[in-house]
Amino acid sequence: EPEVTQTPSHQVTQMGQEVILRCVPISNHLYFYWYRQILGQKVEFLVSFYNNEISEKSEIFDDQFSVERPDGSNFTLKIRSTKLEDSAMYFCASREYAQETQYFGPGTRLLVL
Amino acid sequence: AQTVTQSQPEMSVQEAETVTLSCTYDTSESDYYLFWYKQPPSRQMILVIRQEAYKQQNATENRFSVNFQKAAKSFSLKISDSQLGDAAMYFCGKVQGYQKVTFGTGTKLQVIP
Repeated sequence: EPEVTQTPSHQVTQMGQEVILRCVPISNHLYFYWYRQILGQKVEFLVSFYNNEISEKSEIFDDQFSVERPDGSNFTLKIRSTKLEDSAMYFCASREYAQETQYFGPGTRLLVL
Repeated sequence: AQTVTQSQPEMSVQEAETVTLSCTYDTSESDYYLFWYKQPPSRQMILVIRQEAYKQQNATENRFSVNFQKAAKSFSLKISDSQLGDAAMYFCGKVQGYQKVTFGTGTKLQVIP
């Protein structure tokens, strides 16, 4: 069964550094999402992406964040200058056109020191 | 803002018994989708079951079923014949118009052998 994959599974970085989190959505999916989950809290929406542009973003998704689909398979989340509070689990999700179910990847655990 | 409420931070159930996890939500729309996701200690988000709001019939997936009460805006998850592998965080989520998933705060389910 096709799955969403994410790399790396864990990343440790220093405050102020840039990080890029990578996702490979399911191949025939057209809508892509990033969510994050701070330890012990609920999963929060960051951004949705369709047709090579952002379709919706949350208040969390400020100028420090950007997303890109650099080729036909990858979907990336970049954090330009990480802060301590960016430490969280980051989930990528994707869905098919005209289907409501989003399939989540296994997540990337980001720790900012 | 749309809200999804899970009023039970923690629940426990004896192995082989039945447990019900509660979820209520807020919406002004008539067409939307509801989900239950399971998050084991690995923190991966796994889709358990989904319900389309325009369908009156409650969804079932093997030992998992829902009690969907549209007028009451309630969407509970029933787990029958609980197994040790069911121990996890369970998140209720709502999607409207193929947009982001709005999640509740989660219920931690403990299964007692």
